[in-house]
Amino acid sequence: KAGVTQTPRYLIKTRGQQVTLSCSPISGHRSVSWYQQTPGQGLQFLFEYFSETQRNKGNFPGRFSGRQFSNSRSEMNVSTLELGDSALYLCASSPGTGTNTQYFGPGTRLTVL
Amino acid sequence: QKEVEQDPGPLSVPEGAIVSLNCTYSNSAFQYFMWYRQYSRKGPELLMYTYSSGNKEDGRFTAQVDKSSKYISLFIRDSQPSDSATYLCAMSAGGGGFKTIFGAGTRLFVKA
Repeated sequence: KAGVTQTPRYLIKTRGQQVTLSCSPISGHRSVSWYQQTPGQGLQFLFEYFSETQRNKGNFPGRFSGRQFSNSRSEMNVSTLELGDSALYLCASSPGTGTNTQYFGPGTRLTVL
Repeated sequence: QKEVEQDPGPLSVPEGAIVSLNCTYSNSAFQYFMWYRQYSRKGPELLMYTYSSGNKEDGRFTAQVDKSSKYISLFIRDSQPSDSATYLCAMSAGGGGFKTIFGAGTRLFVKA
């Protein structure tokens, strides 16, 4: 089975812009979670989507949003970018039921200038 | 106080050593405990997964969970230079969906 894929792998934006990141989960997986990873804060949970519905949400401002499509692919959007949004954004997929294991993609490295 | 505490290291050991990595936590609702390994510029890779208390062994890796002390450990036997990576502990309360809390990660260097 192909693993979790994320696009793009690298992104450079300026403050105030918005960005959309994409994640394709492992075939058959219905749950997609998003995480932000920074050297200072570590890995922090953003939100989880299951069958096109947001099932869990972390403590991030409303500038961070996401959605999931019927084929389980997910997108994450960050509006009005701030310098502090520079991070590695990781997507993780899971079957969604009967397990708590997740499989991570390689991440998208976002740099905000 | 963070929900999950993990010493960021770095931890440097000679090849062949036994490595002990640890995390403590404060939320007694956590039931699922994971260890991930992350190489530079890669996403985390699931190494070990344990439900509730007890030990679990997989090859050179052993995971231990002590819920009474709110303490989990990962032991690596016969460490290899290829084990050099960041090790993240993670835990969740379960109950449907994911809201996994990760430790800060411990950077491990195994010297040949």
